[in-house]
Amino acid sequence: GIQVEQSPPDLILQEGANSTLRCNFSDSVNNLQWFHQNPWGQLINLFYIPSGTKQNGRLSATTVATERYSLLYISSSQTTDSGVYFCAVEGYNFNKFYFGSGTKLNVKP
Amino acid sequence: DTAVSQTPKYLVTQMGNDKSIKCEQNLGHDTMYWYKQDSKKFLKIMFSYNNKELIINETVPNRFSPKSPDKAHLNLHINSLELGDSAVYFCASSQGPVYNEQFFGPGTRLTVL
Repeated sequence: GIQVEQSPPDLILQEGANSTLRCNFSDSVNNLQWFHQNPWGQLINLFYIPSGTKQNGRLSATTVATERYSLLYISSSQTTDSGVYFCAVEGYNFNKFYFGSGTKLNVKP
Repeated sequence: DTAVSQTPKYLVTQMGNDKSIKCEQNLGHDTMYWYKQDSKKFLKIMFSYNNKELIINETVPNRFSPKSPDKAHLNLHINSLELGDSAVYFCASSQGPVYNEQFFGPGTRLTVL
């Protein structure tokens, strides 16, 4: 299967700081998604981004499919950004969906 | 209005019992999923249904049986529960191609004693 590696595994930020989370994947993919799991366990889809760049408020994501990585940018971080950020990819070879192990973000006031 | 709902939220049971988790979505989506999140937060797809038909069945023990009575519901029945089944189970739904933008339920925390 496809290996999905996320870095860093843990990140502590002061409120207001910016950060970049990275997702590397080992093979060509049909699509890539970023999710946020808040401290209460709720999973929210942030971006569906097989290639290119998308922005949503303070968050943006870029996927360079040919180089097999994606980046999630968080600007002016807030305490509500805390939680775990997961990257997940769908392989070309038929309906396999693989999650990375996540980046745990803690934003301190 | 809750988009994707699951019941129950918590489930504590003894080894060997049979239990069910229910999922409903009111988004009009045609694809639904079950995911398992283990104690290390690792997420894995279990099943996916499209218009009530099973389209993805990952290597899940056959003690797990999904059932989709209609495209708004996808229930998960687990027979002969084992300690290793303890996890959080998430239901999700999406519209269009499989693994399109997914909306998740709040999760069901299953504890097997």
